[in-house]
Amino acid sequence: AQTVTQSQPEMSVQEAETVTLSCTYDTSESNYYLFWYKQPPSRQMILVIRQEAYKQQNATENRFSVNFQKAAKSFSLKISDSQLGDTAMYFCAFMKHTGANNLFFGTGTRLTVIP
Amino acid sequence: KAGVTQTPRYLIKTRGQQVTLSCSPISGHRSVSWYQQTPGQGLQFLFEYFSETQRNKGNFPGRFSGRQFSNSRSEMNVSTLELGDSALYLCASSRGTSNTEAFFGQGTRLTVV
Repeated sequence: AQTVTQSQPEMSVQEAETVTLSCTYDTSESNYYLFWYKQPPSRQMILVIRQEAYKQQNATENRFSVNFQKAAKSFSLKISDSQLGDTAMYFCAFMKHTGANNLFFGTGTRLTVIP
Repeated sequence: KAGVTQTPRYLIKTRGQQVTLSCSPISGHRSVSWYQQTPGQGLQFLFEYFSETQRNKGNFPGRFSGRQFSNSRSEMNVSTLELGDSALYLCASSRGTSNTEAFFGQGTRLTVV
């Protein structure tokens, strides 16, 4: 079974500063995908960034980047130059490399960006 | 292109009733997955349909069921509603092959009274 753990229920950051959200996971799979999703008050889940486990290079999407440590089963999200619109719940998620649309989610981190 | 559409957005039902929720995926997507989101249990996978067949199933009782039509639209049904079924139900569509992104709808908020 796959488990995803987010140990920070809430975090805050000053606008324009950098924040890192933590995520660890457990799996016996050798190949898989990891995701960070954002859920703003509108409730719509939005994909922030995706990492394929067989790729050693850390994924980057504009102000968002990850630190993927496969051996440690760690997948943290770094948000640079935080903006007010980044205020949301952030979920770390795992998916097997089978094509099945089945995500295992962590419990989420509520991020507040302070003006 | 149009995103994932879930209807209705809000529902209030009474214990013991049944409910049907609908999800229209993005055009060209053949996979639809359903998730239940509650404050206590977080986001939990219910089931996935791909090309009208259930491909994966989570750990939910048989009161939760679903189906997918030939146009990839999906419905989920919950029978004999319980108070604990109150939740946000999210559906996500994808092409259904590996390395494809799942796009989520805005969810249906179900309240059981």
